[in-house]
Formats: sequence, C-alpha cells, structure tokens
Amino acid sequence: AQSVTQPDIHITVSEGASLELRCNYSYGATPYLFWYVQSPGQGLQLLLKYFSGDTLVQGIKGFEAEFKRSQSSFNLRKPSVHWSDAAEYFCAVGVTGNTPLVFGKGTRLSVIA
Amino acid sequence: DAGITQSPRHKVTETGTPVTLRCHQTENHRYMYWYRQDPGHGLRLIHYSYGVKDTDKGEVSDGYSVSRSKTEDFLLTLESATSSQTSVYFCAISEGGFNQPQHFGDGTRLSIL
Repeated sequence: AQSVTQPDIHITVSEGASLELRCNYSYGATPYLFWYVQSPGQGLQLLLKYFSGDTLVQGIKGFEAEFKRSQSSFNLRKPSVHWSDAAEYFCAVGVTGNTPLVFGKGTRLSVIA
Repeated sequence: DAGITQSPRHKVTETGTPVTLRCHQTENHRYMYWYRQDPGHGLRLIHYSYGVKDTDKGEVSDGYSVSRSKTEDFLLTLESATSSQTSVYFCAISEGGFNQPQHFGDGTRLSIL
C-alpha cells in the first residue's frame, strides 16, 4: 500500500525567506501527487497536483513542487514567503485502482517578521 | 470553490447520544469521503462512497456508519458517541476516480462531553 511521510512537523521561516516543505512517498509505480494547504478553521485547499509530464509543477499562491522519482519525493517550494502563508500543509498520494488518496500528517508553517 | 456544505458546523453533545453529520454537494461528483482530523494524526479516512448506496470503510471506521441515498448527500452517523470521537470532521468530494483531487468542506467541530 502507498504511504506518505512529511518529516517536518513544524517549520518556522522569516517573511521573505524561501521555503521548502518535504514530502516522501512509498509506492512502486509513478503516483499521483498533491499538495494541500489548510488555514486555521478551514478545510483543505488544493495547491497543486502532479499526474505526469513535466516534473516541476506550478500551483496557486506562488507555490511550486518538483517530483523526483529517484528520491521518491515531491517537495513544495516558494521563493519568498508571506505572512499569509502561515498554515498547515499536507502532501497526498494517489494510485491507480480503488484506493482513496493517502495524506501525510502535515507540516505546520509559522512565519515570523 | 467546490459546492460542499457541512452541517452542523459546530455541535456539542453528550456521551451515548446518536449524532449525524451531513455533507451536501452541488457538484454531482461521484466520490465522497469522511475524514476526522486530530492533532498529531493528520487526516484519517473514516468512510467513503463511490456512488449511491456504494460505501466502504476507511482506516478508522469503528463506531461510525454512513449512508448515501442520493448523489448529493453523504451522512456520517455516530450511533453512540464517545469522548474519543471528539474531533473535527471533514467531508471531501472528487470526480473521475479515487486518484483525482479531492475538494473539502469547511468541517464540523464535534465535542462529546
């Protein structure tokens, strides 16, 4: 069965600094990969997705993610973080067949001035 | 935003009482999901549906039941609520298959005293 690991529970970055959130997955074939963001008191919002093709994927809010098959990773990046980016971020993996998406446990991002 | 409405948004009830949470969608999506979110555990899948009257168990289904008599409605029932079921519950929908992006409601905060 597929699994997702987000190694960092909590990350703090300064406003304007770059950001990279890590996501590693376990699956034998190429998975479908997603990043979601959750602001306090709200549901999850899809940031970006990777199905196939170009391994660098652009998403909303200035985020991008890169699929690296050799590392089984799909890390989320942003060149310059804004205070409004403080939220929880979830990576998810989907596979072919009758299995729902599997979500990582999330990484909480704090942004300091 | 996807047309997903969860009701109620907040509920406080007592141990042993039955509780039903409703998820209503206006997107005509085939797939619907119920998750619970707890600190340290991320999102955990309770039950999901792949069509009217077609449902299956997720990883934390004990103590929960679901029903889907119409495409637009997916009900989650706690037959006899326990304090361990205090959580935030999210409904999600997707179309085209299990490996497609899910879109989330805003959640129901349930407290069981």
